[in-house]
Amino acid sequence: DTEVTQTPKHLVMGMTNKKSLKCEQHMGHRAMYWYKQKAKKPPELMFVYSYEKLSINESVPSRFSPECPNSSLLNLHLHALQPEDSALYLCASSQAPQREGRETQYFGPGTRLLVL
Amino acid sequence: AQTVTQSQPEMSVQEAETVTLSCTYDTSESNYYLFWYKQPPSRQMILVIRQEAYKQQNATENRFSVNFQKAAKSFSLKISDSQLGDTAMYFCAFTYNDMRFGAGTRLTVKP
Repeated sequence: DTEVTQTPKHLVMGMTNKKSLKCEQHMGHRAMYWYKQKAKKPPELMFVYSYEKLSINESVPSRFSPECPNSSLLNLHLHALQPEDSALYLCASSQAPQREGRETQYFGPGTRLLVL
Repeated sequence: AQTVTQSQPEMSVQEAETVTLSCTYDTSESNYYLFWYKQPPSRQMILVIRQEAYKQQNATENRFSVNFQKAAKSFSLKISDSQLGDTAMYFCAFTYNDMRFGAGTRLTVKP
């Protein structure tokens, strides 16, 4: 089973709202990722968690706050977003972090976010 | 820094025919991994095929195969017997420390 689930599927929020995106995997993977994808563009890496610790933050604005409560869950907390943050947010997981030979990433279906 | 280039923004193919999508990359590393992902309009990124750089044998998965030329830093995807369900955006990806994607090729399979 290579399933990564994400909730919600769609989210509309105002610029003053606080919301959270959730990602879950039960494959025993120890690395989890958040990506942002704009229309007709490739995914852009935002954050990487390795063994539940934040290992990569690709200079993402502080209005995005990741959290990894345990090895199966990954959250992305959103606060004071801008309209240009509207995008598809993808979560992925891999058996291990990069450079350990188990890098294949499995993606969730994404959350389509619209910021008004 | 590693870069991935897909030079074909859009391609089309008739159902049942064969199509090849191109990908080149740039790296100074010797051990890395290459992937092709497919993203249909439903938007989920689906792994199509994976290639380890230290393996000379080209990976195959049913109708999908790659032509991996390490010296040329080329990693093309061949889809045989194209089906309507193959219509999607295809991303080539390189991973060493983290995953980098090409810009994508939008493939349309015509009936």
